[in-house]
Amino acid sequence: SQQGEEDPQALSIQEGENATMNCSYKTSINNLQWYRQNSGRGLVHLILIRSNEREKHSGRLRVTLDTSKKSSSLLITASRAADTASYFCATDGIQGAQKLVFGQGTRLTINP
Amino acid sequence: DAGVTQSPTHLIKTRGQQVTLRCSPKSGHDTVSWYQQALGQGPQFIFQYYEEEERQRGNFPDRFSGHQFPNYSSELNVNALLLGDSALYLCASSLVGDRGTDTQYFGPGTRLTVL
Repeated sequence: SQQGEEDPQALSIQEGENATMNCSYKTSINNLQWYRQNSGRGLVHLILIRSNEREKHSGRLRVTLDTSKKSSSLLITASRAADTASYFCATDGIQGAQKLVFGQGTRLTINP
Repeated sequence: DAGVTQSPTHLIKTRGQQVTLRCSPKSGHDTVSWYQQALGQGPQFIFQYYEEEERQRGNFPDRFSGHQFPNYSSELNVNALLLGDSALYLCASSLVGDRGTDTQYFGPGTRLTVL
């Protein structure tokens, strides 16, 4: 079963605009990670945020985490055509649980 | 520094057959996890291997089994293939820290089609 749910399921914006994707999860976590996947290929790790962190930046990416609401958001600023992909959040449980639990992803399309 | 590699890239099998998928972890990593991703879905955890033992398992039947070798590479075996086993199989490697799952790096996947 999927722990996380991404919202929206699909997002289409113009190049240069910002894209925001949201992720909700059900149980307490240790870390939350965001991944990108192009056309059914392997997952590319974007960013990891730990449960005691509230915000993290990496280049054009900004991730927030609200553990009280069990939610996270991924913001991509100044989007490019190359950002077109599916984006997944993945959580791992507390106390060293090793598996990642993924949501169903957000399909992002950047229009030139 | 090679990343995670998987072989083969694509595979076509018929129902009832058996398949073996292979994974080599990123250099320096000691833990390998396997995931199944059906079309249009997020990946689902199958199992994880550390120190040549299955460390944790997801909700998959015993038809799915694995192995980890002393060089940390791993195999995923699926017996008695069903049509529903058609999916992208992803391998991920990590170096387990003391705060749960560290960053997992994924390979390009093996696309399995069962006819």
